[in-house]
Amino acid sequence: GAVVSQHPSRVICKSGTSVKIECRSLDFQATTMFWYRQFPKQSLMLMATSNEGSKATYEQGVEKDKFLINHASLTLSTLTVTSAHPEDSSFYICSARGDWQQETQYFGPGTRLLVL
Amino acid sequence: AQTVTQSQPEMSVQEAETVTLSCTYDTSENNYYLFWYKQPPSRQMILVIRQEAYKQQNATENRFSVNFQKAAKSFSLKISDSQLGDTAMYFCVIEGGGSQGNLIFGKGTKLSVKP
Repeated sequence: GAVVSQHPSRVICKSGTSVKIECRSLDFQATTMFWYRQFPKQSLMLMATSNEGSKATYEQGVEKDKFLINHASLTLSTLTVTSAHPEDSSFYICSARGDWQQETQYFGPGTRLLVL
Repeated sequence: AQTVTQSQPEMSVQEAETVTLSCTYDTSENNYYLFWYKQPPSRQMILVIRQEAYKQQNATENRFSVNFQKAAKSFSLKISDSQLGDTAMYFCVIEGGGSQGNLIFGKGTKLSVKP
């Protein structure tokens, strides 16, 4: 149980285009989902927290207009990187939290984004 | 603010032996949760073990156990009978409550299990 998927697993795009990453909880309802960014050989950096049906809460320094987050249902959250630039290249990971162990987050497999 | 410190950037252990990864943390919360997550080369973040701060008993999950010292704010992970598949980056993590329940990650310890 507690499986989280992400799609795509890797994406290459041209500078200036937008990229959407999906995060799904497959076998549970996720009241809260989180989006992280991980640079090579570093720890995870929280970008934003999203609750179903409400606006996401962004961490300080994260541009909300650049990283659009939508949490339209209890099983799906999307992160859209708008007008991507090479410096946005990174590994993006989502996590989801269910109702039964609200302090525990289950992570997706991550999406590697490369902006050329 | 909550912080997590992992003082061992890299460690190695021989297969079948035991290794302990260190972690200290700081928090002003009374109720909180501590976790160890592992991230193997596949980069999938996997929950290894969780500890509720109000429980004195140390958590165990098969070959993985913790030594939770609340007063010292220490939370070490012991891996017994190390296996090659244990090779991964290990992150010590604290969840400090609040409405969002954000996780705070340590910088990680890279563990290599050698045959």
